[in-house]
Amino acid sequence: GQQLNQSPQSMFIQEGEDVSMNCTSSSIFNTWLWYKQEPGEGPVLLIALYKAGELTSNGRLTAQFGITRKDSFLNISASIPSDVGIYFCAGQLLGGSEKLVFGKGTKLTVNP
Amino acid sequence: DAGVTQSPTHLIKTRGQHVTLRCSPISGHKSVSWYQQVLGQGPQFIFQYYEKEERGRGNFPDRFSARQFPNYSSELNVNALLLGDSALYLCASSSHFSTSTDTQYFGPGTRLTVL
Repeated sequence: GQQLNQSPQSMFIQEGEDVSMNCTSSSIFNTWLWYKQEPGEGPVLLIALYKAGELTSNGRLTAQFGITRKDSFLNISASIPSDVGIYFCAGQLLGGSEKLVFGKGTKLTVNP
Repeated sequence: DAGVTQSPTHLIKTRGQHVTLRCSPISGHKSVSWYQQVLGQGPQFIFQYYEKEERGRGNFPDRFSARQFPNYSSELNVNALLLGDSALYLCASSSHFSTSTDTQYFGPGTRLTVL
């Protein structure tokens, strides 16, 4: 099935470091979303982006909707141990079905 | 308010059997989508229902079917189970359909294991 190109696949960082991950697509999307998933749970929405160029923050998280509408990035500042998990980007097209197309995820490990 | 709920939490079936998974959306949400997530991958879209009508279907075989009830809850059915159907099945709900600022919220999923 269709998936977005998400990188890096995994990151091992020290507590307090900043993190950056990104997502690219060959297709244009109307909406970009970032989710976090922890073991045994469903994805939890972190940030939603609705306009090209939009920069949105949620606490220590910041995400941007690329100008070309084909990419997005997520930054986490001053990481803490509870940031551990798998982060997924998702693109959404409106019109027809509203299906989300996901990346393969970035697995984040934070060493205390 | 309760989030999206799914049942059962875990399920073990054998090849060839049939399975029904259930989802209750967030109160007031009218759209339900189903996704399949195999280990190490992102979720893959299976179906979307809005106001009891199918609005989208992903690239899955006809063994997969779904429906939405008048109370907006939904069932996903899978017939003639294969080993490759083992996955986490996620349900997501949203309040509307084709609204630019609408967002999908996920339930905890049903872990299906096919032996």
